[in-house]
Amino acid sequence: DVKVTQSSRYLVKRTGEKVFLECVQDMDHENMFWYRQDPGLGLRLIYFSYDVKMKEKGDIPEGYSVSREKKERFSLILESASTNQTSMYLCASSREQGPSEEKLFFGSGTQLSVL
Amino acid sequence: DQQVKQNSPSLSVQEGRISILNCDYTNSMFDYFLWYKKYPAEGPTFLISISSIKDKNEDGRFTVFLNKSAKHLSLHIVPSQPGDSAVYFCAASYSGTYKYIFGTGTRLKVLA
Repeated sequence: DVKVTQSSRYLVKRTGEKVFLECVQDMDHENMFWYRQDPGLGLRLIYFSYDVKMKEKGDIPEGYSVSREKKERFSLILESASTNQTSMYLCASSREQGPSEEKLFFGSGTQLSVL
Repeated sequence: DQQVKQNSPSLSVQEGRISILNCDYTNSMFDYFLWYKKYPAEGPTFLISISSIKDKNEDGRFTVFLNKSAKHLSLHIVPSQPGDSAVYFCAASYSGTYKYIFGTGTRLKVLA
């Protein structure tokens, strides 16, 4: 089974802090994603990466950056945390999308609170 | 612009009855649809999917129906069990893209 591991289940940070959320997958997947989940808004894509050192903005990239130095690891960085970034953050991975359909595998999530 | 919509934020069903969760989409390029289940404080888990070349896919108690002309899909759970109580998200994708677009979710509560 694919395992997507997020380093923290819960995090509490102060406004203005730099925050790193780490994600590791163990199935050699090409694609990795960061979503945030907020009540009434569903899952919204922040950034995704389709290869090492490659990244693309999702629907809500403002205030975030990402890093993918190794295939198995995808980091989400909040440069200067703000209270509106309090949310559940979900990392996911998938195989390279081709003619066949692929599904996303999610980590357990990191509940981030910015005070 | 919400390309994938789940218009019912919540649904309550008696144990043993059928649960029907609905999802509408606007982008006719979508050709692959998925349903995920999410418990509190956990990540979403894959439930079932359907390709646009089919109109039905079944897996045990779960069946997904796709009506392409109406741009509508539904998830049927029968019989519903208390352990099915969770938030259900539908998602859509299309060939050649890496992106999956999620709906806002429907919270299902199965009453014992």
